[in-house]
Amino acid sequence: GAGVSQSPSNKVTEKGKDVELRCDPISGHTALYWYRQSLGQGLEFLIYFQGNSAPDKSGLPSDRFSAERTGGSVSTLTIQRTQQEDSAVYLCASSFPLRGFSYEQYFGPGTRLTVT
Amino acid sequence: QQQVKQSPQSLIVQKGGISIINCAYENTAFDYFPWYQQFPGKGPALLIAIRPDVSEKKEGRFTISFNKSAKQFSLHIMDSQPGDSATYFCAASIGNTGNQFYFGTGTSLTVIP
Repeated sequence: GAGVSQSPSNKVTEKGKDVELRCDPISGHTALYWYRQSLGQGLEFLIYFQGNSAPDKSGLPSDRFSAERTGGSVSTLTIQRTQQEDSAVYLCASSFPLRGFSYEQYFGPGTRLTVT
Repeated sequence: QQQVKQSPQSLIVQKGGISIINCAYENTAFDYFPWYQQFPGKGPALLIAIRPDVSEKKEGRFTISFNKSAKQFSLHIMDSQPGDSATYFCAASIGNTGNQFYFGTGTSLTVIP
């Protein structure tokens, strides 16, 4: 079956431009996560969606970052007025919580964002 | 503040040797400790995971050792193979919150033929 897909795989943008990154989770997975992975760093949690609950936005680094999830499926991460420090790989993951426990996360291949 | 501290940052092992990666945590509420394997250009993939009610879990050549009192856990890769060369991340979470997974900074493993 299809795994988590992300698009685009690579994105080069000029400083100050807005970008949109897309994530298609595994069908039926109600939980969706966005992470940022910078060179030599671990995965930095950005935002979490679970079903119809309000998203946990506690990891978003600034108000330039926002995300939405339409119809409980596809998610879009938007970065406004991009800065060079936003350059990183943005990873999306989905999971199917069982009795409230979210264990195995399935990651997409990521979008490599380069801000010039 | 790094919730999960991982070491070493990089590791070079001869084929057939044992690779050991260590992680430490502070939050005693963590109750799920997965390890992820990431190849270049790919997203991380779950390798093996443990819950704190056991001290060891083994799956093939991969073993997690868990020391609850020391708040440490480690990944052992027995008979390391060149195909194991990848970046490994440990993580910790509080299972019933569902959302917060805290990842270590990763270990780049190179297995020399």
